[in-house]
Amino acid sequence: DTGVSQDPRHKITKRGQNVTFRCDPISEHNRLYWYRQTLGQGPEFLTYFQNEAQLEKSRLLSDRFSAERPKGSFSTLEIQRTEQGDSAMYLCASSPDSYATEAFFGQGTRLTVV
Amino acid sequence: SQQGEEDPQALSIQEGENATMNCSYKTSINNLQWYRQNSGRGLVHLILIRSNEREKHSGRLRVTLDTSKKSSSLLITASRAADTASYFCATAQTGTASKLTFGTGTRLQVTL
Repeated sequence: DTGVSQDPRHKITKRGQNVTFRCDPISEHNRLYWYRQTLGQGPEFLTYFQNEAQLEKSRLLSDRFSAERPKGSFSTLEIQRTEQGDSAMYLCASSPDSYATEAFFGQGTRLTVV
Repeated sequence: SQQGEEDPQALSIQEGENATMNCSYKTSINNLQWYRQNSGRGLVHLILIRSNEREKHSGRLRVTLDTSKKSSSLLITASRAADTASYFCATAQTGTASKLTFGTGTRLQVTL
């Protein structure tokens, strides 16, 4: 399967714990995005990488959130000291480096903070 | 934050009927895209329309774009039960390197 893959698909964690999600984009895609989606809403942009450089971060990305994309391949999103409000679907997407193009989404990681 | 609103929030039709969803947005855009999301799954790209285009077709899908009104519509013709999903419009704003801003979505239910 050459699509975008995310791991894990589901994560249940206790409040205060740290969690890390992984995203493997389509191999030839330079751009990688993280979005967060809460129930009944559309996805909201969190951050964007062009190769290994993190070029944009949303105000939604508090200091407890950090994302990396070492070597411009896979990416990780870490949430420290999780809060119940962090419960959401975290979606990763990738796209080629061209001006107007579709994004290819993974299946997402559903995080539940209890 | 969400770019805009989609209308209706929910739509229920019978198989074979057409479904029309509308999307409004707030800022100038490079392109507008429509995505489908089955329950609890990732998003699947349906169609992209550039800011200098007014209408586009792909199979049973027809998308229109009115940049003067900052609105778009998605028409699904001859709907099928498999079309049941949530549909989102997403805009790529001018100069934002394809970062997408999504609407609130329309939940479509197609019954047999």
